[in-house]
Amino acid sequence: DIQMTQSPSTLSASVGDRVTITCRASQNISAWLAWYQAKPGKAPKLLIYKASTLESGVPSRFSGSGSGTEFTLTISSLQPDDFATYYCQQYDSFSLTFGQGTKVEF
Amino acid sequence: EVQLVESGGGVVRPGGSLRLSCAASGFTFDDSGMSWVRQGPGKGLEWLGGINWNGGRIVYADSVKGRFTISRDNAKNSLYLQMKTLRAEDTALYYCARGDFYMEVWGRGTTVIVSS
Repeated sequence: DIQMTQSPSTLSASVGDRVTITCRASQNISAWLAWYQAKPGKAPKLLIYKASTLESGVPSRFSGSGSGTEFTLTISSLQPDDFATYYCQQYDSFSLTFGQGTKVEF
Repeated sequence: EVQLVESGGGVVRPGGSLRLSCAASGFTFDDSGMSWVRQGPGKGLEWLGGINWNGGRIVYADSVKGRFTISRDNAKNSLYLQMKTLRAEDTALYYCARGDFYMEVWGRGTTVIVSS
């Protein structure tokens, strides 16, 4: 299986900060990567697919980049609603895998 | 509005079985691949498996292969997860999601607790 490793595991930030989360794949996954936002008690939300395509309705302060084995999710100016846990997920193979998550906290 | 509603969770003893359901609405279910994902207490998201639009391709995570079975009934706009030989480590919030590659829409989940 393809392993996905996110860093950092926890990130302390303030409103207005630029935040970057990294996701590394154990092998080349081209651009077959998605990013999700998860909050307790709420359904997880798709933010980005195909590494850099913003899902409809997602604010433009979110962006994704990368290909091959290294990817980033950037929040250009952190808003109060963005404090959450973020996950990357590869879909290069039929056996899908998530990263372990990055918690963005105040 | 696209909606997914999971049901069937509960408390079950180790070794027991449980069947989860996911009712879909607001989109063309029989055009969509679907997935099951879980989140254990204090843990991250774990993909369990996925099924394509007609059930012709079903893939499972190694952690549940042979114990869990995914199926769908397109006439009822429903997705299912049959779980058997449950273990304490299967305790989690179980989500269904639209998509068998990336998950476009998620339900709010149903809780399964495996405990004696």
